[in-house]
Amino acid sequence: ETGVTQTPRHLVMGMTNKKSLKCEQHLGHNAMYWYKQSAKKPLELMFVYNFKEQTENNSVPSRFSPECPNSSHLFLHLHTLQPEDSALYLCASSQVSLMGKDGYTFGSGTRLTVV
Amino acid sequence: KQEVTQIPAALSVPEGENLVLNCSFTDSAIYNLQWFRQDPGKGLTSLLLIQSSQREQTSGRLNASLDKSSGRSTLYIAASQPGDSATYLCAVQGGSEKLVFGKGMKLTVNP
Repeated sequence: ETGVTQTPRHLVMGMTNKKSLKCEQHLGHNAMYWYKQSAKKPLELMFVYNFKEQTENNSVPSRFSPECPNSSHLFLHLHTLQPEDSALYLCASSQVSLMGKDGYTFGSGTRLTVV
Repeated sequence: KQEVTQIPAALSVPEGENLVLNCSFTDSAIYNLQWFRQDPGKGLTSLLLIQSSQREQTSGRLNASLDKSSGRSTLYIAASQPGDSATYLCAVQGGSEKLVFGKGMKLTVNP
């Protein structure tokens, strides 16, 4: 496996369900991110993790709960979602250091539909 | 607050044309600028990354330039092909770890 891998690729869930999205990066990066992409909107940053520590929560509702157990894995736990939460959820990673900032590498995304 | 703008939102051209995609940003204090391609329902594929100290980057038929002082970048696509049809996104990274995106430009190249 190379790059950034996201599972599942597609997810349909009811509003009372609990599910989790998984992201794994094989690049040795030290920062990971969750982005949400809704139809006809720019990509929205949700969460940022640097060295496993959450450094940003972009006013995301508590029904989205991130978890970063180590620098290679990132989860997004979902519960009691709303239909408007249906979107493409993208995970990304990057390497941040005092020497500068490299670009982001994105996964293929999870297409989430809330019914 | 950094804002990234891509105009036009959509472009349809015949195959073989040379294209220029524009991106502008409001805060010139950036570390880098990245161009991505996104196919329908898919993730983002990085095309080119330009560090703030660089003026341009090239990869195959793609060339991206950066004018940090004026807050502009262009992506040049030579001899466009139907396989180039996708949405192209510009994003800038500033002092924080955040990457700020434009809304993208949907390109259709007709055979």
